Amino acid sequence: NAGVTQTPKFQVLKTGQSMTLQCAQDMNHNSMYWYRQDPGMGLRLIYYSASEGTTDKGEVPNGYNVSRLNKREFSLRLESAAPSQTSVYFCASSEPGLAGGNEQYFGPGTRLTVT
Amino acid sequence: QQQVKQSPQSLIVQKGGISIINCAYENTAFDYFPWYQQFPGKGPALLIAIRPDVSEKKEGRFTISFNKSAKQFSLHIMDSQPGDSATYFCAAKSGGYQKVTFGIGTKLQVIP
Repeated sequence: NAGVTQTPKFQVLKTGQSMTLQCAQDMNHNSMYWYRQDPGMGLRLIYYSASEGTTDKGEVPNGYNVSRLNKREFSLRLESAAPSQTSVYFCASSEPGLAGGNEQYFGPGTRLTVT
Repeated sequence: QQQVKQSPQSLIVQKGGISIINCAYENTAFDYFPWYQQFPGKGPALLIAIRPDVSEKKEGRFTISFNKSAKQFSLHIMDSQPGDSATYFCAAKSGGYQKVTFGIGTKLQVIP
């Protein structure tokens, strides 16, 4: 049981290049999320998928696209990378709790630098 | 617009002392308030959570205090240890939505 896995762990891109961040979970969760973490900004939601086949914008979606490939996998694509997208990216998954809670399980993160 | 305001951004506590992190919110629809702990180089992990129908929840050395009328909640770490050094995020969720809004985080350093 690996939980949430992310690839790659590190990536350096030049401005204008594109790339896809991969995320997979093996907990049979319906909901999946992409966050970015920046100093002094906390965790900001980029996109989320409440269930397979649905995706919705979060707080900071500009410059990103997502694909919920199946129940396990949720990818994040940068079509034309910009230095402002230098960040640590986290994928997470969750399933509603019996008491209405929502424990999110996070992956180890992808550290992206755009030069 | 920050829906969950967290303070302080950084905190230094002596070993054995009490660490206190505060959060405030405006949205009265929030009904689930988790705290996440993140060690350097790792993803956040759920530490403890509370619902607004209780005023306090304790798990070991970690306690959440919740003040519904003031729309504030706080994390207390008793007998703080160097191993507690991490970044702590408060968060909130509303109703049937699965989205969680996070605070900006508090970097805690416990010194020997």
